Amino acid sequence: DADVTQTPRNRITKTGKRIMLECSQTKGHDRMYWYRQDPGLGLRLIYYSFDVKDINKGEISDGYSVSRQAQAKFSLSLESAIPNQTALYFCATSDSDRGHEKLFFGSGTQLSVL
Amino acid sequence: GENVEQHPSTLSVQEGDSAVIKCTYSDSASNYFPWYKQELGKRPQLIIDIRSNVGEKKDQRIAVTLNKTAKHFSLHITETQPEDSAVYFCAASSSGGFKTIFGAGTRLFVKA
Repeated sequence: DADVTQTPRNRITKTGKRIMLECSQTKGHDRMYWYRQDPGLGLRLIYYSFDVKDINKGEISDGYSVSRQAQAKFSLSLESAIPNQTALYFCATSDSDRGHEKLFFGSGTQLSVL
Repeated sequence: GENVEQHPSTLSVQEGDSAVIKCTYSDSASNYFPWYKQELGKRPQLIIDIRSNVGEKKDQRIAVTLNKTAKHFSLHITETQPEDSAVYFCAASSSGGFKTIFGAGTRLFVKA
């Protein structure tokens, strides 16, 4: 089945370290997103991309960067991790042809910054 | 900026009872309202959605209602079952839909 795959599933790192979270999809969707989930705050958009040459900031982009290496790959980087970036991170895709944004989420990456 | 408020944050019901989760949105341009269910340790998944030209939509035991004038929309689950226990997120987006705004989530417990 077509899916959205995230690696790693879990990661523990130290303050100041650079870390990359990766996302790949076999759904053939143009649009890819990175969300962060914190208890009581829902899902907040970090960055989104409509195609390989398109990168846009979301609600909470400070401290993060992204790279859209191919239509199917979208990675999220924390250049210098800090403890308040501890969260559950989700990659998502959507199909631009559908007009409305039905999101398909990856399985998530639990990141802990010590 | 755009905002979606969701209530209650926690809801506990007895199996077989109904559950209602309510959301309000601030952006008048919003015209698409999806609901996502996230089971423990799993990814959020779309369970139902409604567009602004529709007032109500049903799918078996779940239904959504939309009041555009009041900027309110609600999720109704009837005859709740233990497998309905999860976190439910409401969301709103506009045409072109590049930015979906989520509510904070409702943790639903269905007691057997």
